[in-house]
Amino acid sequence: NAGVTQTPKFQVLKTGQSMTLQCAQDMNHEYMSWYRQDPGMGLRLIHYSVGAGITDQGEVPNGYNVSRSTTEDFPLRLLSAAPSQTSVYFCASQGSGGFPYNEQFFGPGTRLTVL
Amino acid sequence: KQEVTQIPAALSVPEGENLVLNCSFTDSAIYNLQWFRQDPGKGLTSLLLIQSSQREQTSGRLNASLDKSSGRSTLYIAASQPGDSATYLCAVPGTYKYIFGTGTRLKVLA
Repeated sequence: NAGVTQTPKFQVLKTGQSMTLQCAQDMNHEYMSWYRQDPGMGLRLIHYSVGAGITDQGEVPNGYNVSRSTTEDFPLRLLSAAPSQTSVYFCASQGSGGFPYNEQFFGPGTRLTVL
Repeated sequence: KQEVTQIPAALSVPEGENLVLNCSFTDSAIYNLQWFRQDPGKGLTSLLLIQSSQREQTSGRLNASLDKSSGRSTLYIAASQPGDSATYLCAVPGTYKYIFGTGTRLKVLA
């Protein structure tokens, strides 16, 4: 049981480049989410999903897209990277019963720098 | 609007001390409250989840209490060790998202 996994661990992009941050969980969790963590700003929700085929925006969705074709995977796409997207990105999933009834588990994070 | 506050922002204690971290929230209508630990450069590790119907939850040297009516939770760490040094975050569920406090950065001195 690997829990929540994220790839890559580190990434450097140039302004305007696109990329996909991968997130997978093997716990059959329905609820998954993406946060970004910035100094002084705490953790902010980007997008979330309550199940395969269902996604919605969080607090800071601009510049990011998501899809959820399977229960296990929840990739985050940066469409055209900007320096303001330099951050640490965390993927999380919620235990059985969905949001908000059980523990939330976090992946190890992706540290993204946009030059 | 739910707001979560953690005080103190930073704490430094000698090894072996018992300590209390505080978490306050403005809206008492919560399902649960979760405590996390974050080591530098790492992800968040879940420590304890305390449901709204519970008053306490324990795991090893950690004990979390919840008082919904006063909008407070405390995380008690017994016999602190240098390995406990980390940032501790509390979070409560909002509308399909978790609302996090800004954390308490703990340093336990050997």
